[in-house]
Amino acid sequence: AQSVTQLGSHVSVSEGALVLLRCNYSSSVPPYLFWYVQYPNQGLQLLLKYTSAATLVKGINGFEAEFKKSETSFHLTKPSAHMSDAAEYFCAVRRQTSYDKVIFGPGTSLSVIP
Amino acid sequence: GAGVSQSPRYKVAKRGQDVALRCDPISGHVSLFWYQQALGQGPEFLTYFQNEAQLDKSGLPSDRFFAERPEGSVSTLKIQRTQQEDSAVYLCASSPTLDSGNTIYFGEGSWLTVV
Repeated sequence: AQSVTQLGSHVSVSEGALVLLRCNYSSSVPPYLFWYVQYPNQGLQLLLKYTSAATLVKGINGFEAEFKKSETSFHLTKPSAHMSDAAEYFCAVRRQTSYDKVIFGPGTSLSVIP
Repeated sequence: GAGVSQSPRYKVAKRGQDVALRCDPISGHVSLFWYQQALGQGPEFLTYFQNEAQLDKSGLPSDRFFAERPEGSVSTLKIQRTQQEDSAVYLCASSPTLDSGNTIYFGEGSWLTVV
């Protein structure tokens, strides 16, 4: 079975500071990994995904994440937070098969302090 | 349209009422998913379609929940005899192929409140 844990349901950072959102996964087979962002009253938008190519993945809006198999982690980072980054962030896992559902973590709410 | 479209965006139902939620996926997308997102939580998988075939309905919480995609495009999620615990956002998503590495595109959701 697959699962995702996100350490910290709420994270606050100052504008311009480093953003670090943690994600650890559990999967019995090689996974695909995703980060999605959700703004208030909107659907989920893909930030980036790991699909077995480079372990350091760059996404939209200056975000990146690194797949570390030994740590079963896929933490999301951004060097400098903007006010517009305030949102809910979800890490997700999916098996590398022809079909599988995406399993989402519980989410981390990011606040950016001016 | 360019994205996944869901309707209605907001629905208030009295307990015991039946509701139907519609999803228009991106044109040509083979895979279609339904998720349920309770307030403050991550999306929970409900069901999956490959074209018109419902291949996975393991996440449907009870037999009051029913989904269909009869022509392989538009999908409807029906909830019979709604209960308060059904209050949530129902998200529809589509993906172009069966490849699990493909991006899944989400709609903005249908917000259901059962009173």
